[in-house]
Amino acid sequence: EAQVTQNPRYLITVTGKKLTVTCSQNMNHEYMSWYRQDPGLGLRQIYYSMNVEVTDKGDVPEGYKVSRKEKRNFPLILESPSPNQTSLYFCASSSAGRNTEAFFGQGTRLTVV
Amino acid sequence: AQSVTQLGSHVSVSEGALVLLRCNYSSSVPPYLFWYVQYPNQGLQLLLKYTSAATLVKGINGFEAEFKKSETSFHLTKPSAHMSDAAEYFCAVMTINDYKLSFGAGTTVTVRA
Repeated sequence: EAQVTQNPRYLITVTGKKLTVTCSQNMNHEYMSWYRQDPGLGLRQIYYSMNVEVTDKGDVPEGYKVSRKEKRNFPLILESPSPNQTSLYFCASSSAGRNTEAFFGQGTRLTVV
Repeated sequence: AQSVTQLGSHVSVSEGALVLLRCNYSSSVPPYLFWYVQYPNQGLQLLLKYTSAATLVKGINGFEAEFKKSETSFHLTKPSAHMSDAAEYFCAVMTINDYKLSFGAGTTVTVRA
């Protein structure tokens, strides 16, 4: 089954404690992205990757890091989380070409206290 | 740069009535356009997409949307609402040079019995 898998689904952490949210896709997609969803703001792109070892900032990259060492994995790293990073996070992957569409993970609800 | 405007953050319809969700976009290049649906505590599911083929696009669950270039619109409709259509709906635009998705703020649909 084609899918994007995020872990964990729920996470409560304290300010300043480094954390990583994992994302893996099994569709051999070139493009992967991270979004955060906040009420009234829709989804905003944090970082994206167009292929292995190629990453770039999205619209709200401050406080986040990513890496793309393998095609299937695209972890999101918060080196020093702060309360304003409390949000619902989604990973997505998509193929190139006219038949493209983005497939989304189930989301990670992060609370930073 | 592209942006997406969804008119109305909340829409309430009676069961059996027409559902109309409005989406306008701005883009410097011809975009691909998408509608996604999000049910509570779930990820985003693709309803339909426009990728420069037919301007009237049919999707899942009886939804359809029409791409109108002159109006820069991609409104979503369903002739007869069902209780199961209660969800949040997102319009998104993708630029094909980097496959970046930009989302509208979302419209929450409630269906009255």
